[in-house]
Amino acid sequence: DARVTQTPRHKVTEMGQEVTMRCQPILGHNTVFWYRQTMMQGLELLAYFRNRAPLDDSGMPKDRFSAEMPDATLATLKIQPSEPRDSAVYFCASGTLVGMGYTFGSGTRLTVV
Amino acid sequence: GNSVTQMEGPVTLSEEAFLTINCTYTATGYPSLFWYVQYPGEGLQLLLKATKADDKGSNKGFEATYRKETTSFHLEKGSVQVSDSAVYFCAQNYGGSQGNLIFGKGTKLSVKP
Repeated sequence: DARVTQTPRHKVTEMGQEVTMRCQPILGHNTVFWYRQTMMQGLELLAYFRNRAPLDDSGMPKDRFSAEMPDATLATLKIQPSEPRDSAVYFCASGTLVGMGYTFGSGTRLTVV
Repeated sequence: GNSVTQMEGPVTLSEEAFLTINCTYTATGYPSLFWYVQYPGEGLQLLLKATKADDKGSNKGFEATYRKETTSFHLEKGSVQVSDSAVYFCAQNYGGSQGNLIFGKGTKLSVKP
């Protein structure tokens, strides 16, 4: 089965450090999402891309977060500087049509201490 | 605005019990509706979907019917198994056929033998 691959699976970092999370979407999927999951807020959409162009990043704190797709096989989410409130599980998902269902990666569990 | 509300968990059932997880939505227009499932330590997986009023989505013994009149999409299963223990998310699409998903907060289901 084709998978969305996220790295790293776990990351522990100190407050103020830069964090980069990576996602390899499924080949042929033209839409890529970044979601953040916390107990309090549930699943929040941070940003999404279609054909590598950013469509919506309104859910992302602009001062510290950035999302890019340098090529069709790689999406990145960066946090600089990281803060304890950024601790969460970050999911990448990819797909073509929403009716076909989007495929989620296994997530990156980020802990900022 | 568009939103999804689902019953709060956790829900604890005995094996072979009947399951209902309630989900209601608010939307402009007629979105497609989805149930996703998240097993421990994994990303979300599409469980079933319905794209228009009165459609019934079904998969693995789970069912949900798109009810426009009550703006609901309740998830049901006649006889749950221990392996169904997971978190279930109701969602609607936003922004057309290639749009993003708006999720409910999730309902944790625990099935005891």
